[in-house]
Amino acid sequence: KNEVEQSPQNLTAQEGEFITINCSYSVGISALHWLQQHPGGGIVSLFMLSSGKKKHGRLIATINIQEKHSSLHITASHPRDSAVYICAVSASGTYKYIFGTGTRLKVLA
Amino acid sequence: DSGVTQTPKHLITATGQRVTLRCSPRSGDLSVYWYQQSLDQGLQFLIQYYNGEERAKGNILERFSAQQFPDLHSELNLSSLELGDSALYFCASSSGQSREQYFGPGTRLTVT
Repeated sequence: KNEVEQSPQNLTAQEGEFITINCSYSVGISALHWLQQHPGGGIVSLFMLSSGKKKHGRLIATINIQEKHSSLHITASHPRDSAVYICAVSASGTYKYIFGTGTRLKVLA
Repeated sequence: DSGVTQTPKHLITATGQRVTLRCSPRSGDLSVYWYQQSLDQGLQFLIQYYNGEERAKGNILERFSAQQFPDLHSELNLSSLELGDSALYFCASSSGQSREQYFGPGTRLTVT
């Protein structure tokens, strides 16, 4: 079992839909990151969380430390949101980063 | 533009060879991270440097080594290359531990 699990692996949505991507982890962490990777390969950091909730535009990220779970929400999805979304954790005490396998999102116009 | 630069953008080399990938972090960032992304493995953490010192080691092979120089740029050296080393290699930088990371555009390595 991977230390960081994401679901779903693939997701197709219609433009305007509300989207949720989940991340569960089994290690102690100092922070959790949500990354976006576009088809061209470039990676952008969306959020870094250690507690609570963050919002940036149409994106919202939440984390529940007790349940070892984080969610990334996209409101009013748009075709330009089509990308791979990757959850990564910074393991506490070791400084190592562990990545989920990613969620491939396709938003149809 | 993240402010992190990586060179070269593409690299094609033969098995058994050695290559050096270079990363310049964002101005002021002390931490540099190296990651490998292959088709079958996804993103893997290789190594982190903070202000010239190795901070954390991930799944880095013994054939690979890295260093961070006094001007904070970093190099990842890959030797005795194998076909399976073909991947995208990303560098990222941050101002410190557990801080937001800024990714470079990556170096695509193809080993033939």
